[in-house]
Amino acid sequence: RKEVEQDPGPFNVPEGATVAFNCTYSNSASQSFFWYRQDCRKEPKLLMSVYSSGNEDGRFTAQLNRASQYISLLIRDSKLSDSATYLCVVKGSGAGSYQLTFGKGTKLSVIP
Amino acid sequence: NAGVTQTPKFRVLKTGQSMTLLCAQDMNHEYMYWYRQDPGMGLRLIHYSVGEGTTAKGEVPDGYNVSRLKKQNFLLGLESAAPSQTSVYFCASQRTGAAKNIQYFGAGTRLSVL
Repeated sequence: RKEVEQDPGPFNVPEGATVAFNCTYSNSASQSFFWYRQDCRKEPKLLMSVYSSGNEDGRFTAQLNRASQYISLLIRDSKLSDSATYLCVVKGSGAGSYQLTFGKGTKLSVIP
Repeated sequence: NAGVTQTPKFRVLKTGQSMTLLCAQDMNHEYMYWYRQDPGMGLRLIHYSVGEGTTAKGEVPDGYNVSRLKKQNFLLGLESAAPSQTSVYFCASQRTGAAKNIQYFGAGTRLSVL
C-alpha cells in the first residue's frame, strides 16, 4: 500500500460547482496532515493544515478521519483560479518526523 | 522577502557531467530539503538537513550528494549525471517548533540530462 494515495483526476468542474478530493494514508502513527496546492510549472504552496476537528478557510473545508486514515478537501463555489493540482501531505512520526510525504496530487480544472 | 531561492532555474547536461544546484533561504530555518518531481511520481525526498553541518538520506538518495556548510545554504550535487536524473528539483525549508510544520519551496530547477 502506498503511503499517501490520491485520485489523480483530472476533475473537470464548472464554475460555481462544489468538488471534493479524498486521500488515504498508510501510517496510522502520522500526526500532522496538510493540503498543498501546486499551479502548473510552479512550486507547491501550503493551502491549509488539517485538524482532527475539521477546519474551514473561506470556501475550503478540510476533514480528517483518523480511524479510517482518510483526509478530505472540499471546495465550494469553485473559481477559475482554483484550477491547480492539490497535494495531500502527511507528516511522519518518530524517526520520520522531519519529513513530509506527498501524494501524487489531484488535478482540478475549473471550466467557465 | 526572497524566501527560498534556487539557482539555476534551468540546465541541460550531457551524460557524465557534474553540476551543483544551490538552494538559499533567508528565513533562518533549521531544516532544509531537496525533492525531485517526475510526471506521475509526485514529490520524492532526495536528502534533507536538520541543521548546519548535518545531512541525511531521503527516499531516493542514490546518485546525489549534499552539503550544508552554512545554515542558509543547501547544495545538491550530481557527480555523474544520468538521463534518469532528468527531473524538476525543488528545495524547501522549514523552521523548528512550528505547529504547522510548513515547508516553503523554491521555484524549482528544471534539469535535462541528454
